[in-house]
Order: sequence, then C-alpha cells, then structure tokens
Amino acid sequence: DTAVSQTPKYLVTQMGNDKSIKCEQNLGHDTMYWYKQDSKKFLKIMFSYNNKELIINETVPNRFSPKSPDKAHLNLHINSLELGDSAVYFCASSLRQGGYEQYFGPGTRLTVT
Amino acid sequence: RKEVEQDPGPFNVPEGATVAFNCTYSNSASQSFFWYRQDCRKEPKLLMSVYSSGNEDGRFTAQLNRASQYISLLIRDSKLSDSATYLCVVKKPGRRALTFGSGTRLQVQP
Repeated sequence: DTAVSQTPKYLVTQMGNDKSIKCEQNLGHDTMYWYKQDSKKFLKIMFSYNNKELIINETVPNRFSPKSPDKAHLNLHINSLELGDSAVYFCASSLRQGGYEQYFGPGTRLTVT
Repeated sequence: RKEVEQDPGPFNVPEGATVAFNCTYSNSASQSFFWYRQDCRKEPKLLMSVYSSGNEDGRFTAQLNRASQYISLLIRDSKLSDSATYLCVVKKPGRRALTFGSGTRLQVQP
C-alpha cells in the first residue's frame, strides 16, 4: 500500500534525450511537489501543484515541464537532458498547500551519461 | 550565507550515547521549523516539529532559539537504528515551499 509512488526508480540515459518520471499518491492530498536532491544532498523544491494548479515554479530550466492530469498524479518531463541533471528526483505530497508534513516517494535516481 | 546551515558530520557515537545537532537559519522572520530524517538512499520522513516551547517525543527533543536563530535536535540513548541523515527544515513567511538543510549524518556504532 504505497502512499506516494514514483516510476521509474532508476533511469540511465544519454545527453540530449527526453525522459519522463511519473508520480502518484493515494493519500487524497491536494498538493504535490517535485524536488531535486543533488550529490551534495541539498533537497531543492522545483515545482508544486495544488489541485492541478501550478503554485510553485522555482528557477528551473524550461527543459523541465511538470504536468498534473489530476490531483493524485504529478509527472515531470525533461527535454534535452544534460549531465548536470543527474540527481535523485523526489515527488512528495501534503494534505494542503503549505503543509509541512510532506510524504515523499522513494525517489528516481537519474543518471545522464 | 546559506538559508539553512547544518554541520554535515558524520557524528560517530556509540550505542547509548546522547548526541545533539544544531541547525542555523538566516531569515529571522522564519515561522515554522521541523526535523526530517533520511535513511541512506531512501526518502525523507518527518521526524518532529519544533515549537517555541520545545518539543519532546520519546528519546528525541527539539528546541528553538529564536534569538540566536538556531534549532537543535537531541537524541538520548542512541540506537543503531537512529543512524541516518537528519534534515533541518524551515518555513519562511510568504513562501509556500519548505527550505531543507543539507543534513547532518549520524552513525551509531555498536
């Protein structure tokens, strides 16, 4: 009974490719997030959606495009992958926007070669 | 200055020891503070909130010092299972997002 699930768990791809990561939560939460955790372990917010509406859009290259088809799903599409995109990408959800208790998915480890 | 700063560690302590970590934050108007725990190659999970009056949950005690702009986490009677990275998290006013520190790694040894 996974609360927040992500696919794939591992993604190895070459520079210049386009890839997507999918996230689903079954907690009935209104708000979902994408975070990037780099090799120095900083966890940085990228995007957040509240009930399908984009509410946080940090300084992220426009090669990254989130999509929320419904409030239980938040996907991340990345165009023209670069070496610097290699990181762990975490999806998370919270009951409502601004909620401090965030439930994280297991992460997607992206390696760009 | 980073928004949230933590000593990366590692803190290597024997089982049963008491260990404490601090975390400093730069924005004096920050309103809410939390500790998250992240096991190796796993996702972060909320450990506890940090209230102005302090907060205790079993062996874990969190404190806030607004004057010096730091929060602390004290772990008593350390267990092997406490080995993890502890992330300090701050919510700044007017921001919807949480700001995470890079974490302090704790290694409890038998």
